[in-house]
Amino acid sequence: DAMVIQNPRYQVTQFGKPVTLSCSQTLNHNVMYWYQQKSSQAPKLLFHYYDKDFNNEADTPDNFQSRRPNTSFCFLDIRSPGLGDAAMYLCATSRDRGGFQYFGAGTRLSVL
Amino acid sequence: EDQVTQSPEALRLQEGESSSLNCSYTVSGLRGLFWYRQDPGKGPEFLFTLYSAGEEKEKERLKATLTKKESFLHITAPKPEDSATYLCAVLEGSNYKLTFGKGTLLTVNP
Repeated sequence: DAMVIQNPRYQVTQFGKPVTLSCSQTLNHNVMYWYQQKSSQAPKLLFHYYDKDFNNEADTPDNFQSRRPNTSFCFLDIRSPGLGDAAMYLCATSRDRGGFQYFGAGTRLSVL
Repeated sequence: EDQVTQSPEALRLQEGESSSLNCSYTVSGLRGLFWYRQDPGKGPEFLFTLYSAGEEKEKERLKATLTKKESFLHITAPKPEDSATYLCAVLEGSNYKLTFGKGTLLTVNP
């Protein structure tokens, strides 16, 4: 039973065309994270929500935004995707900050 | 300078050939070290958490150990289905953030 669900699994967008990635969780965890992972690289944290409290990483580009309308859902919005934004985007949850994180299967984003 | 360094970058083993993967870290005030397995095109799957030097955890053919400066993931008599990238991540001090290494790509040949 999937506990962290990401949709879609694969997303193709055009250069500059806004795109939204979705994440939902059935764990009722307080914290939801978004990571970017490029090929053969470590996952890089973009931001996280602790409940409704949004926490942006200092080096996350302004092009990336997030929304968490309720406990179960979190969205990643890329306002104007560039070629360098092509990557795997991973959503994760944890019960509290500092706990181990459950990851979704990821969304592979391609930018044409 | 990387805070979490994994070695080797890639490891190829024959089925049944035991080996170890290394994760060294330079963070201060380690609160936890995490091992994940990641299959191609999928999200990381949680394996172990270690909290203090000397701690060990086991799961099937995998055993994780922790010292003050590094962690090892020992793989005993691996099978082809153990082929994956193994990621190490650390949680430090008062920081909530997991810092990942780049991973070790393990290939087990039948």
